[in-house]
Amino acid sequence: DTGVSQNPRHKITKRGQNVTFRCDPISEHNRLYWYRQTLGQGPEFLTYFQNEAQLEKSRLLSDRFSAERPKGSFSTLEIQRTEQGDSAMYLCASSLRQGDNEQFFGPGTRLTVL
Amino acid sequence: KQEVTQIPAALSVPEGENLVLNCSFTDSAIYNLQWFRQDPGKGLTSLLLIQSSQREQTSGRLNASLDKSSGRSTLYIAASQPGDSATYLCAVMTTDSWGKLQFGAGTQVVVTP
Repeated sequence: DTGVSQNPRHKITKRGQNVTFRCDPISEHNRLYWYRQTLGQGPEFLTYFQNEAQLEKSRLLSDRFSAERPKGSFSTLEIQRTEQGDSAMYLCASSLRQGDNEQFFGPGTRLTVL
Repeated sequence: KQEVTQIPAALSVPEGENLVLNCSFTDSAIYNLQWFRQDPGKGLTSLLLIQSSQREQTSGRLNASLDKSSGRSTLYIAASQPGDSATYLCAVMTTDSWGKLQFGAGTQVVVTP
């Protein structure tokens, strides 16, 4: 399968714990995006990378959130001191810099904070 | 600030009918518009992408139109099937926020046999 993959698919954690999610983009894609989706809503943009450079961060990305893409391949999204309001589906997408920039999404990581 | 709206929020049709899904946006300075399908608890599947210079795009039973001047896009699904039941989302990329997709809340579709 050459699509976008995300791990884990589900994460249940207690409030105050730290969690980390991983995203592996389509191999030739140099742009990588993180979105968050809550029930009944469309995804909301969090941040994106071109290669290893983080080019834009949403105001939704508080100081407790950090994303990295150290070698321009996979990316990690870490949430520190989780809160119940962080419960959501975290979606990763990738695209080519050239062309129409069509974004392809992974299956998502469902986070539940108890 | 770009606002993307999808009406209706939910739609139920009998199998065989054509589906018409609407998407409106407030800022016409868009780079492209993408339509996605999302099954419950799953990620998004890209259906069609329309560049700002295009009027429509077709793939099989799917046809999407774009009217930038009126801030509207319509997704047509011909001869609906129960397998078309899902939530359909539209997303726009504006020229001043390149790379970031802004989504509507989606239209939940049920096709009854």
